[in-house]
Order: sequence, then C-alpha cells, then structure tokens
Amino acid sequence: EAGVTQSPTHLIKTRGQQATLRCSPISGHTSVYWYQQALGLGLQFLLWYDEGEERNRGNFPPRFSGRQFPNYSSELNVNALELEDSALYLCASSFHFSGYEQYFGPGTRLTVT
Amino acid sequence: GQQVMQIPQYQHVQEGEDFTTYCNSSTTLSNIQWYKQRPGGHPVFLIQLVKSGEVKKQKRLTFQFGEAKKNSSLHITATQTTDVGTYFCARGNYGQNFVFGPGTRLSVLP
Repeated sequence: EAGVTQSPTHLIKTRGQQATLRCSPISGHTSVYWYQQALGLGLQFLLWYDEGEERNRGNFPPRFSGRQFPNYSSELNVNALELEDSALYLCASSFHFSGYEQYFGPGTRLTVT
Repeated sequence: GQQVMQIPQYQHVQEGEDFTTYCNSSTTLSNIQWYKQRPGGHPVFLIQLVKSGEVKKQKRLTFQFGEAKKNSSLHITATQTTDVGTYFCARGNYGQNFVFGPGTRLSVLP
C-alpha cells in the first residue's frame, strides 16, 4: 500500500512569491492535515480537510490556504511568502474524522530567500 | 485551552538507561496518540490510548494513560541508539483536529 506522498521535495522561493505544495493521501483516507515544522521545533497545525471541506485551521494568517480535491488529494498555498515561512511542511492523512492515527508524508522543505 | 505540555524538552541518556517522557493536559482527553520522529524524518505513529488507566506495551516501550485521562507517559526500557528521535504526544477529540505537544528530544550516547 502506497504511503502519503508529497511534492515537491524541496522548494526554493523568494520573498513575496507564492508557493504551492501538494499531498496525496493513503487510499481510503478522506482526511488530510497540514502542519508546519520550523527547524528543530514542533508541529504547528495549519489546516484540516475532510470530505472536501475545511474542518479547521490553525493560528496562521489568511495567506495560508488550501483545498481538497474530489480524489481527496490536497494542495497548500502560501501567498506573499515571508522569510519566516521557511520550514518543513508535513501532510498527514487519516480515515474520516479525527480519532484515527495519522500517517505522515515525507514533507516539503520550503526555503524562502 | 487545547494545549498539551510535554516534559522534559530534552533528555540525554547513556545507552542501556531507561527513558520516560510525560504528556499533560489541563482538560480531559478523549484519546492520546504518540508519534516518533527520527532526525531528518517525518513523524511515525506509535500508539493510541483511549481508556482510563490503559497500559500498552510494544517491546521495550510502555505507554500509559492516566486514570483521569489528563496525562500520559511513554517509558523506554534499556534505550538503544535506534531510539534516538523526538517523541510527540497528540491529543484528540472526536471531530476535532489533533493537537501535538512540543515533543521530547531523546539523545542516546553509545
């Protein structure tokens, strides 16, 4: 069974640009979560999608947005990039709704210069 | 709020010593999950605890859920260098997103 996949692996952008990160969940999983992990720090919750709808978002500005497609894959968009957006962005998937274990992808390393 | 606290933040042990990390919440938890993240890797699910006072074992790892469902612990017996990484607890309530603790970073000296 294929795991959670994320693309790209690395992304280098300049300040002010926009970044798009993609995530494909494990087959059968309908929930997708996005987390930001700055170097050496913990997991900061960004967004949670389930069945195509945004269920909750963390304490991040509106320039962080995303969506979930009918096939349950997801996209995270970060507009007007700032230097402090440099981090590892992790996507995780689980079965419908919270309460089930999350399976994480390898992450996208975003560097903003 | 929904935050969970973990202690200690860092732990350095000699190989063969035991290790324990604690996860605490000010509110009652529906369940608690534990994850391990190796250096340079992504978090990997270890276990989920649901019942009050629950104790689960995975080889050298012992997980406990407090009677009041407000705290949890992970104990590793006789640590090995393969145990190196950051251990996160995550609180979950049905229908809500999980909230991860800040993690405990474990270093094991050979």
